[in-house]
Amino acid sequence: EDQVTQSPEALRLQEGESSSLNCSYTVSGLRGLFWYRQDPGKGPEFLFTLYSAGEEKEKERLKATLTKKESFLHITAPKPEDSATYLCAVPSISNFGNEKLTFGTGTRLTIIP
Amino acid sequence: EAGVAQSPRYKIIEKRQSVAFWCNPISGHATLYWYQQILGQGPKLLIQFQNNGVVDDSQLPKDRFSAERLKGVDSTLKIQPAKLEDSAVYLCASSLGTGPYYEQYFGPGTRLTVT
Repeated sequence: EDQVTQSPEALRLQEGESSSLNCSYTVSGLRGLFWYRQDPGKGPEFLFTLYSAGEEKEKERLKATLTKKESFLHITAPKPEDSATYLCAVPSISNFGNEKLTFGTGTRLTIIP
Repeated sequence: EAGVAQSPRYKIIEKRQSVAFWCNPISGHATLYWYQQILGQGPKLLIQFQNNGVVDDSQLPKDRFSAERLKGVDSTLKIQPAKLEDSAVYLCASSLGTGPYYEQYFGPGTRLTVT
């Protein structure tokens, strides 16, 4: 079964302290990777889609990169409002032959002012 | 543009009771998803509709869970009878088309506690 593993589970950073979140996956034939942000009490919100190894996407202080085995979400000079849980997901084939998203467990990011 | 609406936001029931959740997707979105998110885990797809037909319910515990999407718009998810392990947030999402490459828009979820 396809698996998505995220690390670390939780990360506390001082405001302005850059770091990276990791998403590794075991899927047969990667067909893209998705990053979502989830605030407490809310549903996930789409951030990026990466389609192939070497691709990079940026949005404000976030940059997502993709290799053949893993993806990184780099956060540069974070602010308290960047505090959230960051989820990654990959398309996988269900028993019905349906292409669905398989999510990782997420990294809970806390930015301390 | 109005987002995905879900109700209720919170529900507490005793085990063996029944419960129903409601979802109103974004207007014009053909695909509707129900996910279960247990605390500390990522969302897990329970059922996926394309208009009012089921595309995938391979992970839906059919002995206790049921879902329908009437007229290809609103949807309800029911649990009968509930078990302790059903405690989770139930997320509804919608997208324009079917397939992971269509951006999914999530509602705020319903937090279910089974005691």
